[in-house]
Amino acid sequence: GAVVSQHPSRVICKSGTSVKIECRSLDFQATTMFWYRQFPKQSLMLMATSNEGSKATYEQGVEKDKFLINHASLTLSTLTVTSAHPEDSSFYICSARDEFSGANVLTFGAGSRLTVL
Amino acid sequence: GENVEQHPSTLSVQEGDSAVIKCTYSDSASNYFPWYKQELGKRPQLIIDIRSNVGEKKDQRIAVTLNKTAKHFSLHITETQPEDSAVYFCAAPDGLTFGKGTHLIIQP
Repeated sequence: GAVVSQHPSRVICKSGTSVKIECRSLDFQATTMFWYRQFPKQSLMLMATSNEGSKATYEQGVEKDKFLINHASLTLSTLTVTSAHPEDSSFYICSARDEFSGANVLTFGAGSRLTVL
Repeated sequence: GENVEQHPSTLSVQEGDSAVIKCTYSDSASNYFPWYKQELGKRPQLIIDIRSNVGEKKDQRIAVTLNKTAKHFSLHITETQPEDSAVYFCAAPDGLTFGKGTHLIIQP
């Protein structure tokens, strides 16, 4: 089945630094990938839709300059949390669909737990 | 965007009993209804889904039923086991909006 790889799984950084998270579709191509944020004991909240070769679409309330998304190829999307602060600490998860299979099924990455000190 | 409402938020059942989680949706044009299971600290994983041309789908101890008239779909887990303890999410057909989740606790 479709596999999505996400790295790093855990990252600890100092306040004010930037952190990049990668999301790769390993055995399929995805023109669109999705980034979510999940707080403890809460649901997944869609942050943005990453579009290959064009600008990402951000959900209302998500700062695009804070959460930079790049989708440079059909298998890779990156999320950069810029000038991170403790309130950005969260679990970030990406997902993608194997669009060429015609299925609606979303496959998720393993998630990245960000802790900002 | 599409809305989904999920209930209950927490469900505790005795091992061996059945568990039912319900999700209501708003868009009558919806045609795909997935359920995900997320264990603590791990990724959500699709456990079962159903399309609007059928009313029920079963996979061993897990089933999903769809009531298009009432606009709700339900996850049924029978003969629950300790490994069923997790958080379960329904999602809108576009896969982008998730229910608030149900924390299923299986009591030994």
